[in-house]
Amino acid sequence: SQQGEEDPQALSIQEGENATMNCSYKTSINNLQWYRQNSGRGLVHLILIRSNEREKHSGRLRVTLDTSKKSSSLLITASRAADTASYFCATDGPLGGFKTIFGAGTRLFVKA
Amino acid sequence: EAQVTQNPRYLITVTGKKLTVTCSQNMNHEYMSWYRQDPGLGLRQIYYSMNVEVTDKGDVPEGYKVSRKEKRNFPLILESPSPNQTSLYFCASSLIQGAVNEQFFGPGTRLTVL
Repeated sequence: SQQGEEDPQALSIQEGENATMNCSYKTSINNLQWYRQNSGRGLVHLILIRSNEREKHSGRLRVTLDTSKKSSSLLITASRAADTASYFCATDGPLGGFKTIFGAGTRLFVKA
Repeated sequence: EAQVTQNPRYLITVTGKKLTVTCSQNMNHEYMSWYRQDPGLGLRQIYYSMNVEVTDKGDVPEGYKVSRKEKRNFPLILESPSPNQTSLYFCASSLIQGAVNEQFFGPGTRLTVL
């Protein structure tokens, strides 16, 4: 079962613009994480936000979490061509279990 | 260097021929996990392990086995591979602090079953 679902599936922007990706999930969580994947390679952790947090920043990344709507967003500001990648949200399983559930991802293309 | 290693990186095999994909981490992480990635489906968890001798099913465990005899190793076993197990496989590890934290991923194993 897919808990995290990203939106949009694909996003194409110009360098310097901001990119926003959204993630929705179905059950209660302990935390939500965002990962990045360059084509066919291993995933790299970007940021973790806990269920009692509403917003978190890391460099050009800003993540928000709305537990009432069961949704999260990842904002990349001042995007660069090197940000071109797929971005995935991941949540722990229902009832705070130790499963990890990934969404299908958003493919971001940043044009130079 | 902290890392998760997987072997082999690429494997072509035939239906029914047992195979093992190894995974090892040097970060003393309790949590280890296997995922498969298929186009348009993101990553789906196969099995995970909370610690030595503690394993549990993910969302797609059918056709796979795992073992966790040592903390650093978490091999994935396909007893009788079938073409629908052709996929890109990732191993990951993490500390557990009340919940699963940042997962460190291996480089992936691309498996083709003919």
